[in-house]
Amino acid sequence: SQQGEEDPQALSIQEGENATMNCSYKTSINNLQWYRQNSGRGLVHLILIRSNEREKHSGRLRVTLDTSKKSSSLLITASRAADTASYFCAVRVVGTYKYIFGTGTRLKVLA
Amino acid sequence: ETGVTQTPRHLVMGMTNKKSLKCEQHLGHNAMYWYKQSAKKPLELMFVYNFKEQTENNSVPSRFSPECPNSSHLFLHLHTLQPEDSALYLCASSPSGGGDYNEQFFGPGTRLTVL
Repeated sequence: SQQGEEDPQALSIQEGENATMNCSYKTSINNLQWYRQNSGRGLVHLILIRSNEREKHSGRLRVTLDTSKKSSSLLITASRAADTASYFCAVRVVGTYKYIFGTGTRLKVLA
Repeated sequence: ETGVTQTPRHLVMGMTNKKSLKCEQHLGHNAMYWYKQSAKKPLELMFVYNFKEQTENNSVPSRFSPECPNSSHLFLHLHTLQPEDSALYLCASSPSGGGDYNEQFFGPGTRLTVL
């Protein structure tokens, strides 16, 4: 299977704490993206990191990419209750128009 | 609002029905995608269209038939579906299918139930 895998599957933290979720994949990629989904609704794009980049920041988000290990991590700092959602990584397979999504991490931030 | 709309938002159909899902994007993008999201499974890419041409068909059964008449509209025609086809169907668009900076913008989805 080419699907990505994320861990943990579920994460529960207190407001103000940091949340880290990890993604592993199996194929060669052009880029890796992170998305958020609230309760069975559409996904919202958070951040994109290219295969030749190692780290990227956007507001409270920090993404790292290690192509040698085929893995990425998403760090959300100073979490808020509004960050409660499912988070998915997606990789764009090199040489194709195909995206493969991970299994997702369900994050719950307790107020 | 992401600029991608989907209709209907909810659909219940019998196995012998024929129905269509519609997606429209107002972002001036050239690539459009259909995804299937089933409970406890990863999002599955079904089809990709780039400049109205189908560039990916992820081994989708023929009871799902996509149509892309122009870069702004995408349809998914459904016929003789099975109960296991019940899922959330998501449409997305991106500036183009290729390139390194192509984030996807998703619609809210159509919740399909097949009886």
